[in-house]
Amino acid sequence: IAGITQAPTSQILAAGRRMTLRCTQDMRHNAMYWYRQDLGLGLRLIHYSNTAGTTGKGEVPDGYSVSRANTDDFPLTLASAVPSQTSVYFCASSRGGSRSPLHFGNGTRLTVT
Amino acid sequence: ILNVEQSPQSLHVQEGDSTNFTCSFPSSNFYALHWYRWETAKSPEALFVMTLNGDEKKKGRISATLNTKEGYSYLYIKGSQPEDSATYLCASLDSNYQLIWGAGTKLIIKP
Repeated sequence: IAGITQAPTSQILAAGRRMTLRCTQDMRHNAMYWYRQDLGLGLRLIHYSNTAGTTGKGEVPDGYSVSRANTDDFPLTLASAVPSQTSVYFCASSRGGSRSPLHFGNGTRLTVT
Repeated sequence: ILNVEQSPQSLHVQEGDSTNFTCSFPSSNFYALHWYRWETAKSPEALFVMTLNGDEKKKGRISATLNTKEGYSYLYIKGSQPEDSATYLCASLDSNYQLIWGAGTKLIIKP
């Protein structure tokens, strides 16, 4: 089934540990995004990639890194997790351009203790 | 960074009633306005992408209007059904071509 897949679904992580959230899409979309969603706040952009080989910083990039080695994959890495990174993380993709809607993965619920 | 606001924050509506809610965004340098529906335990799904002032889009019982000069969009739901219960998100595209999201309107349909 075409779409966007995130893994893991949920994770409990000790502070200071490294963690990579995986995101894969099979729609050949150019653009991919990582958002975090916290209670009472809108989705906030962490990092994005407009095309394979390029990445950019969003609104809240600190403590996170991404790579875009190919079209399909866009992993998000927390080098040294902190409790404030407890959140639900959504990966999304789009064809790119102002009129293209985003397609979202099912999210990863991360708890940093 | 843009400030996108949605109101009300939550809304209880009787089944069968019609309802609407608002998304406000800065009217300068407008590029596009997105609406998404987000059901509990699922991921957001796109409803509409609107770009032109006066645009009106419709999908079944849901429709949306756009006023880029005054910086608002309305989402309307006609004859609400229990399956309409969800959080409705809007997002405005900024000058970096990134979406800035509102916090959402949570709609609860009472049977």
